Amino acid sequence: GAGVSQSPSNKVTEKGKDVELRCDPISGHTALYWYRQSLGQGLEFLIYFQGNSAPDKSGLPSDRFSAERTGGSVSTLTIQRTQQEDSAVYLCASSSSRVGQYFGPGTRLTVT
Amino acid sequence: RKEVEQDPGPFNVPEGATVAFNCTYSNSASQSFFWYRQDCRKEPKLLMSVYSSGNEDGRFTAQLNRASQYISLLIRDSKLSDSATYLCVVISDPGNEKLTFGTGTRLTIIP
Repeated sequence: GAGVSQSPSNKVTEKGKDVELRCDPISGHTALYWYRQSLGQGLEFLIYFQGNSAPDKSGLPSDRFSAERTGGSVSTLTIQRTQQEDSAVYLCASSSSRVGQYFGPGTRLTVT
Repeated sequence: RKEVEQDPGPFNVPEGATVAFNCTYSNSASQSFFWYRQDCRKEPKLLMSVYSSGNEDGRFTAQLNRASQYISLLIRDSKLSDSATYLCVVISDPGNEKLTFGTGTRLTIIP
């Protein structure tokens, strides 16, 4: 079956612009996660959605970052007024029960 | 103290050798454990879950030591294709599925 998909695969934007990153999780997966990874660094947790529960936003680095998940499926991560330090690969993952997460290919964001 | 700690390496190992990684976790209530691998400029991929009794998948063996709060990954007869970063992953909160990732151990298999 289809895996986690993300779009766009690459995004170059100017400093100060807003960007939206999209994630389509595996069908039926109740949990959805956003991470980011800077070059040569580990994964940084951003936000976690589980079913209809309130999302865990504890990893969002600033109020410029927000995410929503509509209908328990597709999720959008929005970064407002992008800064150069926002440049990273943004990874989405989904899971069902405790069998591990499956990652999408990521969106490579470059802020110039 | 980090929730999940790994030796970052790098580990440079000759082809055919056996290599072992350890990972420690700080929350004794942690319930689920995994190893992921991440190839350069690719997304992490689930390698294997780690069960209390230990488990094996081909050349890979994972073990859990709850008393000492560490998990291990053993790779036997290493192949060039095993070169990657290996990520230790823990579900620390039994109330949800949020995963905590270690920073990874980089492995290079040398011909």
